[in-house]
Amino acid sequence: EDQVTQSPEALRLQEGESSSLNCSYTVSGLRGLFWYRQDPGKGPEFLFTLYSAGEEKEKERLKATLTKKESFLHITAPKPEDSATYLCAVQADSNYQLIWGAGTKLIIKP
Amino acid sequence: SAVISQKPSRDICQRGTSLTIQCQVDSQVTMMFWYRQQPGQSLTLIATANQGSEATYESGFVIDKFPISRPNLTFSTLTVSNMSPEDSSIYLCSVALMGGEGEQYFGPGTRLTVT
Repeated sequence: EDQVTQSPEALRLQEGESSSLNCSYTVSGLRGLFWYRQDPGKGPEFLFTLYSAGEEKEKERLKATLTKKESFLHITAPKPEDSATYLCAVQADSNYQLIWGAGTKLIIKP
Repeated sequence: SAVISQKPSRDICQRGTSLTIQCQVDSQVTMMFWYRQQPGQSLTLIATANQGSEATYESGFVIDKFPISRPNLTFSTLTVSNMSPEDSSIYLCSVALMGGEGEQYFGPGTRLTVT
């Protein structure tokens, strides 16, 4: 069964304290892995798509990496405005449905 | 990317009534999706709406409860029928720009409370 597991459920960091969020997946043929940011009361905001193991994408303080079993979202020197829930989803090559993880709630304290 | 709007942004409804949520996108897209997100939870796909064909519903969701229209390539509606408090949730529409492959872009959501 295709599934996505994100860890930790919640992460509290001090401003400037770098860390990583994990997304482990099991899928029968990966078409793509997606990272989203969701602020309270808003729809998910697309961040990155990763297609193959070894691929990396960067945007400001965020870098996403992909292996054959998991993806990491690295956040470097975070600021309070990076506080949000980060969602991971995968798309199998058998259909177009996205399989979602439960998300990691990131809190950056000033 | 795509710019997606939803109406209404929020509503409070009585048990047993129905609410229709509108989703408008600023470009023509083949595939639109409707999701439900309950407080503190991740996203659950309700159905996929392709223009010119019947919507495809996921397990646990039926057309009588969640009828969907897709009259053209930029617009869709989701109706939540005969509502109960368990239908209180955020409803999100999304679009895929590459014919279903790749990332989806989301609207701001409709926050529904059923009393």
